[in-house]
This record gives sequence, C-alpha cells and structure tokens, in this order.
Amino acid sequence: SQKIEQNSEALNIQEGKTATLTCNYTNYSPAYLQWYRQDPGRGPVFLLLIRENEKEKRKERLKVTFDTTLKQSLFHITASQPADSATYLCALPPSGSARQLTFGSGTQLTVLP
Amino acid sequence: DVKVTQSSRYLVKRTGEKVFLECVQDMDHENMFWYRQDPGLGLRLIYFSYDVKMKEKGDIPEGYSVSREKKERFSLILESASTNQTSMYLCASSFADKYEKLFFGSGTQLSVL
Repeated sequence: SQKIEQNSEALNIQEGKTATLTCNYTNYSPAYLQWYRQDPGRGPVFLLLIRENEKEKRKERLKVTFDTTLKQSLFHITASQPADSATYLCALPPSGSARQLTFGSGTQLTVLP
Repeated sequence: DVKVTQSSRYLVKRTGEKVFLECVQDMDHENMFWYRQDPGLGLRLIYFSYDVKMKEKGDIPEGYSVSREKKERFSLILESASTNQTSMYLCASSFADKYEKLFFGSGTQLSVL
C-alpha cells in the first residue's frame, strides 16, 4: 500500500543553522510533491510545490529537492530562526489520482535561540 | 487573499447528537475537502467534492456524510456523534488544476462527550 514517512517526529536545531527535514514515500509515482507549514491550532499553509521533472526548487530561505529514484524529498530551511518553529508536512497525490492529497504525519521543528 | 472559513473553532457535543460542520470558501474553487487530524496519525481525508452536488469518499468516510449544495459551501455531517470522532476537523479548497495547492481553514476542534 502507499505510504508516506516523515523522518523524526521532532527536530531541534540552533538558530542560524540549516534545518533538513525528510519525506520518504513507497509504492507511489507522484507527479508532484508539496510542503506545508502548520502552526499550533491552525490549518496547514502551502509553502512549495515541486514536480517530478524538477530536481530542486527554492523560495527565499527554503529549498526543496525531489529524488524520484530514491523516492525522497528533502526540505531545507537555511539560516533558521525561532519564527520557523512549526510542524512541516509533506503531501503527495495518490497514484491514479492527481486531485487529492495524502499527507505525511509531519515533523515538528523547534529552532532554539 | 483566499479565505476558507469554518463556522466554529471549538465545539462540544454529546454522544449520539447530529453534528454539522460548515465550511465556506470565497475564491470560486471547484474542489473542497474535509480532513481530520489526530496526534500521530496526521491528516486523513474524509470526503471531497469536485463540483456542486458531487462527492467522493476519502480514506475514512465511515460515520460521516457531506453536502455541497452551493459551490462555496461544503458541509460535514456526523449523523450520530461518537467519542472516537473527537478530533480536529480541517476544511480545504483548491482550483481544479491538478497542481493546485490546498487552502485550509483554521480548523474545528470537536469534542464528543
């Protein structure tokens, strides 16, 4: 069955360092992958989308890679700040359907001052 | 800015009650979704709709129904609430294009006693 795994339920890093979050999937061939940020008590907010033919995407301090051979996406936040503390979710469309999204359970990132 | 509005932030109901969760979006999105979010389980899709009066089951539809009489409004109905339906419920919407991101509401924390 299709599965999404986000390594590390929680990740603590020091302010100024680069945070790297991982999203692995099995039994999928997704056309794209998305990353969302969720703050406590709020709905997720879209950050980035990367398509299967793109190796890397950047937006300000964020960088996402997508390796369809390894079936893995890495999400990097450079020069991290305490305001980056949140839960980060990856999401993929199930095989055979491009309009729904299935979400990973998320990684809770804490950036320590 | 896109707005997805959920009618209640917090709701407390009794076992056996019929519960209505309302969601309204203001961006003329074709797609609307209901997810529930539980610690350790992540976001799970309950139902979704691609058009008015149209609905499709997600991964966990049992115990729920939905209604979409108008394009901007998508209702989730718990016919007879049970304690295992205590959860955070999140509504989302998106355009029909398969690459479109989801816009989420702030969520409704439902407690069934």
